[in-house]
Amino acid sequence: GAVVSQHPSWVICKSGTSVKIECRSLDFQATTMFWYRQFPKQSLMLMATSNEGSKATYEQGVEKDKFLINHASLTLSTLTVTSAHPEDSSFYICSARELDRAHRGDTQYFGPGTRLTVL
Amino acid sequence: AQTVTQSQPEMSVQEAETVTLSCTYDTSESDYYLFWYKQPPSRQMILVIRQEAYKQQNATENRFSVNFQKAAKSFSLKISDSQLGDAAMYFCAYRSAGGGGADGLTFGKGTHLIIQP
Repeated sequence: GAVVSQHPSWVICKSGTSVKIECRSLDFQATTMFWYRQFPKQSLMLMATSNEGSKATYEQGVEKDKFLINHASLTLSTLTVTSAHPEDSSFYICSARELDRAHRGDTQYFGPGTRLTVL
Repeated sequence: AQTVTQSQPEMSVQEAETVTLSCTYDTSESDYYLFWYKQPPSRQMILVIRQEAYKQQNATENRFSVNFQKAAKSFSLKISDSQLGDAAMYFCAYRSAGGGGADGLTFGKGTHLIIQP
């Protein structure tokens, strides 16, 4: 099956610094990747949609200047949390869309997530 | 905007028994996809089953099956012969079929499934 990786899996940073999280599709090409945020014991909330070669589309309430997304290739999207603060501490999960030619729709595969702790 | 509601924060079932997790959703669209994802303690999201709204036949995957009631906007998950490895958070999710498939998922709040040995 399709595999999506994330790096790092866990990061601790000081308040005011920036952190970059990578999302890679390992055995397929992903024209679209998605970034989600999950607070403890809560559901996943879509933050933004990352399209290869174009600007990301952000959900309402998500600050685009704070959460910078770059999708420079068909296998890599990055999320940079700029000037991180303790309230940005969360679990960040990406997913990549694989076009399933056998079906009318498509399947999204999730990465293992990145736990960000901002001190 | 679409919403997904899971009214059972926690469910408990005896090993080998059958359990049904509930999910309802609200949408004005006629074409969409519904999913059940499992999130074990590792927090890796695992696709359990998916349903295309245009298909009347309920999806099944081994011990997992759904009861899709489009008119009622209901999408429940039935797990038969429950196993200890089924213990996890289960999320119901919705995705629009429009937008060229470039839409993200809308998730419910999740149901924590406990399997009693």
